[in-house]
Amino acid sequence: KNEVEQSPQNLTAQEGEFITINCSYSVGISALHWLQQHPGGGIVSLFMLSSGKKKHGRLIATINIQEKHSSLHITASHPRDSAVYICAVQTGANSKLTFGKGITLSVRP
Amino acid sequence: GAGVSQSPSNKVTEKGKDVELRCDPISGHTALYWYRQRLGQGLEFLIYFQGNSAPDKSGLPSDRFSAERTGESVSTLTIQRTQQEDSAVYLCASSRGPETQYFGPGTRLLVL
Repeated sequence: KNEVEQSPQNLTAQEGEFITINCSYSVGISALHWLQQHPGGGIVSLFMLSSGKKKHGRLIATINIQEKHSSLHITASHPRDSAVYICAVQTGANSKLTFGKGITLSVRP
Repeated sequence: GAGVSQSPSNKVTEKGKDVELRCDPISGHTALYWYRQRLGQGLEFLIYFQGNSAPDKSGLPSDRFSAERTGESVSTLTIQRTQQEDSAVYLCASSRGPETQYFGPGTRLLVL
């Protein structure tokens, strides 16, 4: 079993919809990261969080440490949000990231 | 300011040749990470540097892989006697301590 599981594997939405992407992990962590990878391959860090909730523009990330679960929400989705969203965990300060397989999101106009 | 840069952006080599990949982290970032992404697969960790030392080399897949970092700056990842299964995108990331990791654009390696 992978240490980081993401669901669903693929997701298609209509422009304007509210989207939720889930991530579950099985180890103790110091931080969880949400990353975005566009078709060209570049990776952008969206959030790093260890508790509670963070918001940036139309993106909201939440984490429940007790349940070992995090969600990434996209409000008012847009075709430019189409990308692979990757959840990754860090088990100690300055330690490596362990990645989920990523979810491919496609937002149709 | 400049982000993480990597060179070359693309590399095609023949099986059995050695290759050297370069990463220039963001200035002042003490932590540097190498990751690999094979086609259609997720990212996997290779090695982590704190300053010039590598406290975690657990992800290096074989002794054909090595990496070094000098001057708490540039890092090179060397793959000796390349094999076709080494074909992947090699990504470098850096961070200022236990903070957000900033990724470079990657080097696409194709071993024929």
